[in-house]
Amino acid sequence: KQEVTQIPAALSVPEGENLVLNCSFTDSAIYNLQWFRQDPGKGLTSLLLIQSSQREQTSGRLNASLDKSSGRSTLYIAASQPGDSATYLCAVRLPSGTSYGKLTFGQGTILTVHP
Amino acid sequence: GAGVSQTPSNKVTEKGKYVELRCDPISGHTALYWYRQSLGQGPEFLIYFQGTGAADDSGLPNDRFFAVRPEGSVSTLKIQRTERGDSAVYLCASSLRGGGETQYFGPGTRLLVL
Repeated sequence: KQEVTQIPAALSVPEGENLVLNCSFTDSAIYNLQWFRQDPGKGLTSLLLIQSSQREQTSGRLNASLDKSSGRSTLYIAASQPGDSATYLCAVRLPSGTSYGKLTFGQGTILTVHP
Repeated sequence: GAGVSQTPSNKVTEKGKYVELRCDPISGHTALYWYRQSLGQGPEFLIYFQGTGAADDSGLPNDRFFAVRPEGSVSTLKIQRTERGDSAVYLCASSLRGGGETQYFGPGTRLLVL
């Protein structure tokens, strides 16, 4: 059974810092990995999707890397801003089969960026 | 265009009652997913529809939970004989074809069973 773990559970940083969020998964046979952001009381917003054949994806100040063989992904946020404060979730998708559409999530990292 | 919508946004019910939660996916999306999120946890998969049929219902916790998507668009998650442990946020997502693309999530329905 695929298990996804995120470290740290919570992180508080001053504005302007660069930071790294970690995600690990037990079964390396994934189809892709996705990072989401969740604001309090809201749904999930997709940030980056990395296919299993890719090493990284970038969007603005965000960079996500994937090391499938070691079962790890990192989300790097550059020059953090208070508006980045949210819960960040990673999720993996298994290869084709009946569970193809299913995402398995970590428990999230709660990020607080203070001015 | 419009995103995924869910109604109601909040639902309070009493133990033992029946509830229905509705999801309107993005127009044209053939795949629809239900997840459940407990406080402080990541979402957990419940069921995945491809068109009108359930392609994977392995996440439904027991036979009190049932979901339908009769016309391949709107979906309803039905919970019979609710229990306090069913209290959670129920999230719906849709994607264009199903499988490997990005899933777009709705705001969720917060269910509280008293």
